[in-house]
Amino acid sequence: DVKVTQSSRYLVKRTGEKVFLECVQDMDHENMFWYRQDPGLGLRLIYFSYDVKMKEKGDIPEGYSVSREKKERFSLILESASTNQTSMYLCASAPAVGRYEQYFGPGTRLTVT
Amino acid sequence: KQEVTQIPAALSVPEGENLVLNCSFTDSAIYNLQWFRQDPGKGLTSLLLIQSSQREQTSGRLNASLDKSSGRSTLYIAASQPGDSATYLCAVSGTYKYIFGTGTRLKVLA
Repeated sequence: DVKVTQSSRYLVKRTGEKVFLECVQDMDHENMFWYRQDPGLGLRLIYFSYDVKMKEKGDIPEGYSVSREKKERFSLILESASTNQTSMYLCASAPAVGRYEQYFGPGTRLTVT
Repeated sequence: KQEVTQIPAALSVPEGENLVLNCSFTDSAIYNLQWFRQDPGKGLTSLLLIQSSQREQTSGRLNASLDKSSGRSTLYIAASQPGDSATYLCAVSGTYKYIFGTGTRLKVLA
């Protein structure tokens, strides 16, 4: 079974802090994704990566950056956390973009105070 | 721009009922459609994947159909149980990304 893990289930940070969310998958998938999920807005794509060191902006990249130094690990970085970044963050991976199913991690509930 | 809609937003049914969840999309140029289940505060669990060339997929009490030409998919749940209570999301895949609906929140009453 594919396993996608995220570094924290719950995280509380202060405004202005630099925040790192880590995601690791164990199935050698090429593609990894970061989403945020908010009530009434559904899942929105922040960034995705189709290979090591490659990244593409999603629909809402502002205020975020990503890093993919190894194939199995995809990090989401909030350079200076703000209260409007309080959300559920979900990481996913897939063997190839679009043609295969996505597998999701358990999510990180981030609260910025 | 692809848009995915799920109606109804919420549904409450008594245990044992057969039910249908709907998903519609505006652009028929998709690679596949995936149905997920999400429990409160948790990640998404994949239920069924339908490739664009397929018409339906079945897993246990779940059956998903796809009609690309009309931009619609349905998830049929037979003999619903309280354990089926969750939010169900559909997602369609394009060339580079997946587009999600906002989900149907299902409650099955014992």
